[in-house]
Amino acid sequence: NAGVMQNPRHLVRRRGQEARLRCSPMKGHSHVYWYRQLPEEGLKFMVYLQKENIIDESGMPKERFSAEFPKEGPSILRIQQVVRGDSAAYFCASSLSGTGGQGEQYFGPGTRLTVT
Amino acid sequence: GENVEQHPSTLSVQEGDSAVIKCTYSDSASNYFPWYKQELGKGPQLIIDIRSNVGEKKDQRIAVTLNKTAKHFSLHITETQPEDSAVYFCAARGSYIPTFGRGTSLIVHP
Repeated sequence: NAGVMQNPRHLVRRRGQEARLRCSPMKGHSHVYWYRQLPEEGLKFMVYLQKENIIDESGMPKERFSAEFPKEGPSILRIQQVVRGDSAAYFCASSLSGTGGQGEQYFGPGTRLTVT
Repeated sequence: GENVEQHPSTLSVQEGDSAVIKCTYSDSASNYFPWYKQELGKGPQLIIDIRSNVGEKKDQRIAVTLNKTAKHFSLHITETQPEDSAVYFCAARGSYIPTFGRGTSLIVHP
């Protein structure tokens, strides 16, 4: 029973390049959340998606960042024209439902993005 | 929006001692309070949670208490072991997005 999968685990990009982070939720989960974590800080919410829909993107910068969760395949967090300040660990979580008793979020191992 | 404060930021204990981590929240609409353990290089792992209709919950060596009136909740770990060493995060959630504390680095010395 695989948990949340993320790849790549480590990603190095030069300034100006694009970064693509992938997340496969737990089996049966249709709710996906992306978070960013800076060193010695907590997790900051970025975006919440259900299959083919963005539910809440209030935590995601308006420019350069986008997210999708297609009908088939993993959820993708895309960062265009990366800058040094984008260097962080990006975590994906999934849940069975959005709220209530089955809204517990389970996290993947994260992708550590380094921008040089 | 919700604001979650977590203390202490670092906690150092001897093996076998108890450890207590405290969090306060600001939004009285929050009704779900999970705790996560994050080991170095890994993602956060849900270890215990509590809902607003319960005052205390235990799972072996871990317990969580909730005081809704005072808007604070705590994680208690008894008989600590070196493998308990990690960063622990509390969170408070009203609708579907939890707000996380900044984390407590727990160090258990053998």
